[in-house]
Amino acid sequence: GAVVSQHPSRVICKSGTSVKIECRSLDFQATTMFWYRQFPKQSLMLMATSNEGSKATYEQGVEKDKFLINHASLTLSTLTVTSAHPEDSSFYICSAGLAGGITDTQYFGPGTRLTVL
Amino acid sequence: AQSVTQLGSHVSVSEGALVLLRCNYSSSVPPYLFWYVQYPNQGLQLLLKYTSAATLVKGINGFEAEFKKSETSFHLTKPSAHMSDAAEYFCAVSEDFGNEKLTFGTGTRLTIIP
Repeated sequence: GAVVSQHPSRVICKSGTSVKIECRSLDFQATTMFWYRQFPKQSLMLMATSNEGSKATYEQGVEKDKFLINHASLTLSTLTVTSAHPEDSSFYICSAGLAGGITDTQYFGPGTRLTVL
Repeated sequence: AQSVTQLGSHVSVSEGALVLLRCNYSSSVPPYLFWYVQYPNQGLQLLLKYTSAATLVKGINGFEAEFKKSETSFHLTKPSAHMSDAAEYFCAVSEDFGNEKLTFGTGTRLTIIP
């Protein structure tokens, strides 16, 4: 089956630093990847939709200059949290959709837990 | 705009008892509906999906869900709960067949009582 990985699984950083999270589709090509954040005991909130080779589309209220998304290839998307602050601490999850043909399923990565001190 | 409501943030059932997790949706077009399960500190795993084929959908781990348009519901059921079913369950809706964004419900935490 389709597998999506995220790296790192956990990261702790100091306030003001930047953190990069990678999302990879391991055995399929993904034209579209999605980035979500999940606060403790809450649902997933879509942050942005990332299409290979083009700029990401951000949801309302998500700062594009703070959450930089790059989708340079069909198997890799990165989320960079710039100048992180404690309120950015969260569980970040990516998902990827299969490229080409008809697809109706997103495959989710295992998530990255970010803690900003 | 699409939305999902999951009634009951916490549900507890005894091992071997019926599991019923409720999900109601709102959508301006025929929806595509999903149930996902999340174990602690993990990502989401697809349990099952409805994509306008059969209204009764069977998924993994013995779960199934029935799409009822008249009730705008997509409740998740399992005849006999197992300890390993303890997890967080999310219902989600999409208005596009393909790589379109999902809108998630707030989740239901399922606890299994031995």
